[in-house]
Amino acid sequence: DVKVTQSSRYLVKRTGEKVFLECVQDMDHENMFWYRQDPGLGLRLIYFSYDVKMKEKGDIPEGYSVSREKKERFSLILESASTNQTSMYLCASSLQGRAFFGQGTRLTVV
Amino acid sequence: DQQVKQNSPSLSVQEGRISILNCDYTNSMFDYFLWYKKYPAEGPTFLISISSIKDKNEDGRFTVFLNKSAKHLSLHIVPSQPGDSAVYFCAASSIKAAGNKLTFGGGTRVLVKP
Repeated sequence: DVKVTQSSRYLVKRTGEKVFLECVQDMDHENMFWYRQDPGLGLRLIYFSYDVKMKEKGDIPEGYSVSREKKERFSLILESASTNQTSMYLCASSLQGRAFFGQGTRLTVV
Repeated sequence: DQQVKQNSPSLSVQEGRISILNCDYTNSMFDYFLWYKKYPAEGPTFLISISSIKDKNEDGRFTVFLNKSAKHLSLHIVPSQPGDSAVYFCAASSIKAAGNKLTFGGGTRVLVKP
């Protein structure tokens, strides 16, 4: 079974903090993604990566950056957290078009 | 501009009856479509998919129909069970595009009543 693991289930951070969300997959997938889920808006793509050190902006990249130094690890960085970044963050890896998701990180910025 | 839309935010159905979830898309480049199921505080899990070369795919109680000319797909769940109560997301991608990124709809919350 594919396993995508996100480092935290729940996080509470203060406005202005730098926040790191880590994601690791164990299936040697080329493609990895970061989405956020908000009520009524579905899953919106923040960034994705199709190879080590390669990254592409998704639909809502503002306020975020990413890092992919190793194939299995894809990190999402909030440079200066703001309250409108309170959300559920979902990491995924994919093979042949099918994405496999981690359990999600519920981030609250206060 | 939403490229994938699920116009019904919620659906309530009696156990044993059919659940029909709908999804519309606008991007003609999409050629692979998926449905995901999501429980609260968990990541989405893959349910069923369909390639644009087909118009129907069936897996147990789940069937997905694709109407390319109308840019419309639907998910049928028969018979519906209480454990099917969840949020369902429709997703689309272009297999040839780098990264095969998935574009998701807004989701439909399904409640199956015993």
